[in-house]
Amino acid sequence: DGGITQSPKYLFRKEGQNVTLSCEQNLNHDAMYWYRQDPGQGLRLIYYSQIVNDFQKGDIAEGYSVSREKKESFPLTVTSAQKNPTAFYLCASSIAGIYNEQFFGPGTRLTVL
Amino acid sequence: DAKTTQPPSMDCAEGRAANLPCNHSTISGNEYVYWYRQIHSQGPQYIIHGLKNNETNEMASLIITEDRKSSTLILPHATLRDTAVYYCIVRVPSGGSGNTGKLIFGQGTTLQVKP
Repeated sequence: DGGITQSPKYLFRKEGQNVTLSCEQNLNHDAMYWYRQDPGQGLRLIYYSQIVNDFQKGDIAEGYSVSREKKESFPLTVTSAQKNPTAFYLCASSIAGIYNEQFFGPGTRLTVL
Repeated sequence: DAKTTQPPSMDCAEGRAANLPCNHSTISGNEYVYWYRQIHSQGPQYIIHGLKNNETNEMASLIITEDRKSSTLILPHATLRDTAVYYCIVRVPSGGSGNTGKLIFGQGTTLQVKP
């Protein structure tokens, strides 16, 4: 089945530790995105990538890092510099081009203890 | 900031049509209206989008006013599985320098379908 997978579904980390969230897609999409969602709020863009080996900061990139070494994969690292990392993290992908809808993964819920 | 305004919550009886309104009075001429929904603790799901003509697909219909300042998403026969948060989004175009294709989510409308 084609789609986007994110792992793990739930993740716990101790304060001060870095953690990497996985996002994989087999839809052959060029563009990939990472969003953060806080309780009762909409999604906010962290990072995005329009093509392999290239990515740009979104609206709330501080404390996060990404890589795009393969078309299928766009991992997000939440670093210790992120002040409030507890949130629901969503990965999405889309065909490159204007107005193409984004397809979302199931999300990873990160809790910092 | 989100460029759309939606009521925070609505109820609908199962089997009836659900009409979800959205105001986007500052929409630009080249901006599309997108609708997504998010079932609790899942990723958002694309529903439909349109520019100025009414649109229909297997999930819903989208009615956009002639002045494009508002729109209505119609779920013709709501089921319990349609209970979700519905987001109306004015889409920033992707492609080109500085354009991300990002979706600017507001707080959406929580639709509760009741038996």
